[in-house]
Amino acid sequence: GDSVTQMEGPVTLSEEAFLTINCTYTATGYPSLFWYVQYPGEGLQLLLKATKADDKGSNKGFEATYRKETTSFHLEKGSVQVSDSAVYFCALTDSNYQLIWGAGTKLIIKP
Amino acid sequence: SQTIHQWPATLVQPVGSPLSLECTVEGTSNPNLYWYRQAAGRGLQLLFYSVGIGQISSEVPQNLSASRPQDRQFILSSKKLLLSDSGFYLCAWSKGGTGQPQHFGDGTRLSIL
Repeated sequence: GDSVTQMEGPVTLSEEAFLTINCTYTATGYPSLFWYVQYPGEGLQLLLKATKADDKGSNKGFEATYRKETTSFHLEKGSVQVSDSAVYFCALTDSNYQLIWGAGTKLIIKP
Repeated sequence: SQTIHQWPATLVQPVGSPLSLECTVEGTSNPNLYWYRQAAGRGLQLLFYSVGIGQISSEVPQNLSASRPQDRQFILSSKKLLLSDSGFYLCAWSKGGTGQPQHFGDGTRLSIL
């Protein structure tokens, strides 16, 4: 079946560092891909999405490009802030329109 | 714009007591609705989803149940809570069709004593 694999956390960076959180997927067909963010004690918020190959989703300085050839959707940000500390989830829609979730990656940004 | 409301925000219940968590969506019609559970430090587990009134699909067998009495209302229930039911419960909605993102409520933190 479809699946999403994220890099294990926690990922710890200093403020203003470059961020990459890896996400790869296996899927039949052409899924849409998403990144969600969960701040402590809160629900999940959609961060960005991409619906077809080579699409780039972006929001709040974060970017991710839908790479069909490598089945990847890595999340990047050029300069992280302490306020970016959260758990990040990669997800895809399967053929039944359900979301298949990665396990989440905890990001810790130190000042 | 669409909004989703989920309550209560926190709940402490004794083992064996009943449960009712409610979720409502505003600003859209005929949404797909979802209940998830998130154990501490873990990912999301889909419990139930619904594509219409009275239509409930269960993903995981357990002592929880869900109902959708109205188009934009989704209720998670239990007759007798277990210790293992503790967790963070999230309701979400999406539009129908392919490639639609899900939008989440603020969650309910349930502690079973």
